[in-house]
Amino acid sequence: DAKTTQPPSMDCAEGRAANLPCNHSTISGNEYVYWYRQIHSQGPQYIIHGLKNNETNEMASLIITEDRKSSTLILPHATLRDTAVYYCIGTGFQKLVFGTGTRLLVSP
Amino acid sequence: GAVVSQHPSWVICKSGTSVKIECRSLDFQATTMFWYRQFPKQSLMLMATSNEGSKATYEQGVEKDKFLINHASLTLSTLTVTSAHPEDSSFYICSAAQGGTNEKLFFGSGTQLSVL
Repeated sequence: DAKTTQPPSMDCAEGRAANLPCNHSTISGNEYVYWYRQIHSQGPQYIIHGLKNNETNEMASLIITEDRKSSTLILPHATLRDTAVYYCIGTGFQKLVFGTGTRLLVSP
Repeated sequence: GAVVSQHPSWVICKSGTSVKIECRSLDFQATTMFWYRQFPKQSLMLMATSNEGSKATYEQGVEKDKFLINHASLTLSTLTVTSAHPEDSSFYICSAAQGGTNEKLFFGSGTQLSVL
């Protein structure tokens, strides 16, 4: 699995976009970038994943740089319920190795 | 979406007893499931990969005799914490993959184990 680096914490105002960066400079060509989040005392929740192209779903958008060394998860209109720890994982297999993640706090 | 059920949600046991945690994929078959543990304010740590019909693969530093994993069917994997001690108190989480390719993993809701 690729080593990922994320800021330990971020703040965001409710209703604003939350942009969570992730550095994965060692990612190999066949490894996907996955994003999960974990709300306190619950199992992780899948958000989105991508290989090369930008991706969008009902939860978020994923922007991957052309060299694939970094990506940004975008929550377009953050709500209080988006407060969680967000994990970026680079992997080519089903086995996910979690780093320390980014603790996102959405405030009113 | 696919659902992974984990049971029990929480358990309290006495030191020296064994505790079994179940992980079920409710609407899909999972040849591979994964077990994680998480200490307070820390990230998830992968413990082992559970393979249906074969022995589990344990990560370095995880005692296989301490954490017994059985994957008897395509929808059920169990983790048994044997002779539990207070230091085994943790949040245990399982996950299962839908499909044999690079599909999304789905996680159970976790089991909080407290050993007295």
